Amino acid sequence: QKEVEQDPGPLSVPEGAIVSLNCTYSNSAFQYFMWYRQYSRKGPELLMYTYSSGNKEDGRFTAQVDKSSKYISLFIRDSQPSDSATYLCASRAGGYQKVTFGIGTKLQVIP
Amino acid sequence: DTAVSQTPKYLVTQMGNDKSIKCEQNLGHDTMYWYKQDSKKFLKIMFSYNNKELIINETVPNRFSPKSPDKAHLNLHINSLELGDSAVYFCASSPLGFWPAFFGQGTRLTVV
Repeated sequence: QKEVEQDPGPLSVPEGAIVSLNCTYSNSAFQYFMWYRQYSRKGPELLMYTYSSGNKEDGRFTAQVDKSSKYISLFIRDSQPSDSATYLCASRAGGYQKVTFGIGTKLQVIP
Repeated sequence: DTAVSQTPKYLVTQMGNDKSIKCEQNLGHDTMYWYKQDSKKFLKIMFSYNNKELIINETVPNRFSPKSPDKAHLNLHINSLELGDSAVYFCASSPLGFWPAFFGQGTRLTVV
């Protein structure tokens, strides 16, 4: 079992829809949770990071972590065609522990 | 002005050759990383340096050797290249928090 599981998709939504991207993780020691966006043939970009459980909002993006169910979510409001990319969730434990990535979910926003 | 830059962007080479990939960041970050993204797009840590000190050394063949001459540079040297080394290699850096914040554009390595 991978430590961070993510459905690779693809996920197709119409422009303006609310997108929900999800991951589960198995390592109870994970404390930090990240979301990255990767456009085709580019390096990943860090979108958001959160510590422990709770929500964090940044513009149209909301990251949510539920440590009791080991569930990580990213919501995108008013999705735009420019949001079409692969979204990777990632987690790590405390200290100088490595970051473990999910496989990424490919999102396509149709105009 | 590119924050994390890698050279070369593309690298095609024969099995058995030795090659290097260079990475430079102009952000003043203390921590740098090398990641490998395979054909399934799975991103895995290879090495991490904090202020020129090796912090993470994942289970990679010892044909791969990182070198950090100063905290702005992290190079990757690969000896005796094999077909399975074909992948995209990303360099990244971070200011704090010890997760990669800025990635380079990647080096697409093809071993033939």
